[in-house]
Amino acid sequence: DAGITQSPRHKVTETGTPVTLRCHQTENHRYMYWYRQDPGHGLRLIHYSYGVKDTDKGEVSDGYSVSRSKTEDFLLTLESATSSQTSVYFCALQGADNEQYFGPGTRLTVT
Amino acid sequence: AQSVSQHNHHVILSEAASLELGCNYSYGGTVNLFWYVQYPGQHLQLLLKYFSGDPLVKGIKGFEAEFIKSKFSFNLRKPSVQWSDTAEYFCAVNSGYSTLTFGKGTMLLVSP
Repeated sequence: DAGITQSPRHKVTETGTPVTLRCHQTENHRYMYWYRQDPGHGLRLIHYSYGVKDTDKGEVSDGYSVSRSKTEDFLLTLESATSSQTSVYFCALQGADNEQYFGPGTRLTVT
Repeated sequence: AQSVSQHNHHVILSEAASLELGCNYSYGGTVNLFWYVQYPGQHLQLLLKYFSGDPLVKGIKGFEAEFIKSKFSFNLRKPSVQWSDTAEYFCAVNSGYSTLTFGKGTMLLVSP
């Protein structure tokens, strides 16, 4: 494993509330990614980061923002959660050969 | 933009049967290719990867994949599956420093 943790692992929240998910790494990887996984859609990239304070949008970025103030932490924020954002969220790091290593995931339910 | 197509959404096999999962990608240039596995309730784990060289790549747990450039394919194979191979399998591709594009996944169920 590439030393990735995600918190929280499970969260239930109400529509309209802000939610922040945290990804933490211990191995100083430059590239970090946030994906969501939904049945029938596979994994879809939300945002990614290529360094501290350097981030870019992915395929499904609407309704999400990210921040990376230090190498080890990459935060995903849902400004105002909606039921369509109920999903499993995975953080990933990029290894030396462009392969990605995934965290354990966060299951988010928006009621 | 790259796209990845996995032909089968669900595959059901008996133990000891041979497995082949199809994967085709759309990008015509130099690509990096990956297969990931996700066991029930777990995160994705890298099975194998191809960057260059021998088009037949061997991965963990007895899996292998063959890159056929002329067919834009990277099919995953295993000669004899086990019940413990029950999982979802994802093909992914990138080129250069682009982000990874994943297929929608194939759910494999192996019956004992």
